[in-house]
Amino acid sequence: GEDVEQSLFLSVREGDSSVINCTYTDSSSTYLYWYKQEPGAGLQLLTYIFSNMDMKQDQRLTVLLNKKDKHLSLRIADTQTGDSAIYFCAVHNNAGNMLTFGGGTRLMVKP
Amino acid sequence: DGGITQSPKYLFRKEGQNVTLSCEQNLNHDAMYWYRQDPGQGLRLIYYSQIVNDFQKGDIAEGYSVSREKKESFPLTVTSAQKNPTAFYLCASTRNPLGRANEAFFGQGTRLTVV
Repeated sequence: GEDVEQSLFLSVREGDSSVINCTYTDSSSTYLYWYKQEPGAGLQLLTYIFSNMDMKQDQRLTVLLNKKDKHLSLRIADTQTGDSAIYFCAVHNNAGNMLTFGGGTRLMVKP
Repeated sequence: DGGITQSPKYLFRKEGQNVTLSCEQNLNHDAMYWYRQDPGQGLRLIYYSQIVNDFQKGDIAEGYSVSREKKESFPLTVTSAQKNPTAFYLCASTRNPLGRANEAFFGQGTRLTVV
């Protein structure tokens, strides 16, 4: 099955850029997602990228996909204290209509 | 507004009891999922269902059971066989067949505590 890995923790200063990384194993993955979870809540979709794209930008968010290395990253520009949350990478595989999640990266933004 | 609703938000279970967590969606999604989240850990798939009256075990199905009698509903029962049930449980749904972006919609979660 698919394995999705993320680093556990990231700390940045307010106003800096944050880069959250994710690696996955299944090269046939079609859609790749970034979700945000605030304390005690469910997950909310931030953005996604289709596997035939290298980059997608959406306001302060930039997603980069390196298919060769099976590496996905999420860059948050001008990080704010409200961006403090857990960020999950999720990978979708057509064959099983399954979403596999990484372990989540806890982003802490210091004022 | 369409969405996915979990209830209750908090649930307390005594040792040896079965409890059922509710998940309802009005998004007309075919696929529904149950995930377990432990502190500092990611999401682990318990069960999923891609169509009514059919469901499949996920990675950690032991001690859990589900049913899918209606498209809108996918309740999860945590049985007494689940030795460590204290966790945050998340229900999700996705459209099936795949669309342009098969976004998963999540409920707000149920926090289950064994007392």
